[in-house]
Amino acid sequence: ETGVTQTPRHLVMGMTNKKSLKCEQHLGHNAMYWYKQSAKKPLELMFVYSLEERVENNSVPSRFSPECPNSSHLFLHLHTLQPEDSALYLCASSQDLGAGANVLTFGAGSRLTVL
Amino acid sequence: DQQVKQNSPSLSVQEGRISILNCDYTNSMFDYFLWYKKYPAEGPTFLISISSIKDKNEDGRFTVFLNKSAKHLSLHIVPSQPGDSAVYFCAAYNAGGTSYGKLTFGQGTILTVHP
Repeated sequence: ETGVTQTPRHLVMGMTNKKSLKCEQHLGHNAMYWYKQSAKKPLELMFVYSLEERVENNSVPSRFSPECPNSSHLFLHLHTLQPEDSALYLCASSQDLGAGANVLTFGAGSRLTVL
Repeated sequence: DQQVKQNSPSLSVQEGRISILNCDYTNSMFDYFLWYKKYPAEGPTFLISISSIKDKNEDGRFTVFLNKSAKHLSLHIVPSQPGDSAVYFCAAYNAGGTSYGKLTFGQGTILTVHP
């Protein structure tokens, strides 16, 4: 596989469920990101990891918990979400932070619906 | 406060004609601008970028123009093709800061090119 792969592509969960989104990149990149895209809103940056260390937490509620076990994998653990958390969650990677960090390679996204 | 705005939610163009997608920004610290294209069920893909030291960048059928005084950029597609039908996102970045790939995105414009 090449590029950035996200699973599952679609997820429906209740407010009391615990689920996780998974992202894997096969590009040898050192930085990974979670973005959220809600309906009719711009993409919002949630978290940034560089070499498995979190470097940005963009005021995201604690019901979203990221995990980066290595530079190729990124998880977003979901717990007691609200219906307004329903959105498309996009994972992205870049070679490094800094000058090259603006050209991101995105996954296809995980469409989350919270009932 | 939305720092990057794409005020046209949609644009419809005839095949072979020019498509012009517009983007306005408010943050004068932005000095690097990008356009991403997104097909349904796929992640956004990088299309073209421009640095604030330039006012034009061209890549094949795609040209981005930057007007710093007006804080405005536009993407021109000539000639437009049906395969260009997608959502186009404008994004901005402060390359001189510690933005960690913190692209600020617009809401997107849906381009439809009719045969």
